[in-house]
Amino acid sequence: DQQVKQNSPSLSVQEGRISILNCDYTNSMFDYFLWYKKYPAEGPTFLISISSIKDKNEDGRFTVFLNKSAKHLSLHIVPSQPGDSAVYFCAANHAGNNRKLIWGLGTSLAVNP
Amino acid sequence: GAGVSQSPSNKVTEKGKDVELRCDPISGHTALYWYRQSLGQGLEFLIYFQGNSAPDKSGLPSDRFSAERTGGSVSTLTIQRTQQEDSAVYLCASRQARGQETQYFGPGTRLLVL
Repeated sequence: DQQVKQNSPSLSVQEGRISILNCDYTNSMFDYFLWYKKYPAEGPTFLISISSIKDKNEDGRFTVFLNKSAKHLSLHIVPSQPGDSAVYFCAANHAGNNRKLIWGLGTSLAVNP
Repeated sequence: GAGVSQSPSNKVTEKGKDVELRCDPISGHTALYWYRQSLGQGLEFLIYFQGNSAPDKSGLPSDRFSAERTGGSVSTLTIQRTQQEDSAVYLCASRQARGQETQYFGPGTRLLVL
């Protein structure tokens, strides 16, 4: 039972364009959502998060949008840079599960020069 | 150091041997989590510590797996009688306190059981 789903295993975009990574969830108890970036042979690096009481959070080139009614969130990267090429994981948790992260399977982003 | 550290970075062992994996969380972080990522699989939760207590061990796959945390700091994950299916990257994360929701990860320990 995959509670957090990233349906696109991979995405390729041109440098300078927008990257949009999508994530869907099924558990309505989730109240906090996080995006992590992961390079091979490294641990996940925190990127940006959003609480369920908000619908948008922005940090520099990264913006996360949350649509609770659709149980959908997305990460926008503008403009995309070659250094953004990595695997991006969506994760979610809630207070009732000790804040343990439930993960999507990741989307591999390739930003082409 | 400023971040979460884990040791060893890589471990190769023979089936049936015991292994210990270590995690040093960020100083002052009271919550500590272990996860693992098996080849071709997503990340899965193993165990959660709040201080030295482990109120959630629900992700440990078998009784061969155990973990402890001492002094509210360092944690050790022990796998007894390792099996080939234990091969994975074991990741540790720490979080500051209740109300601080972001978990920060170490570089992981890559375990290969031959």
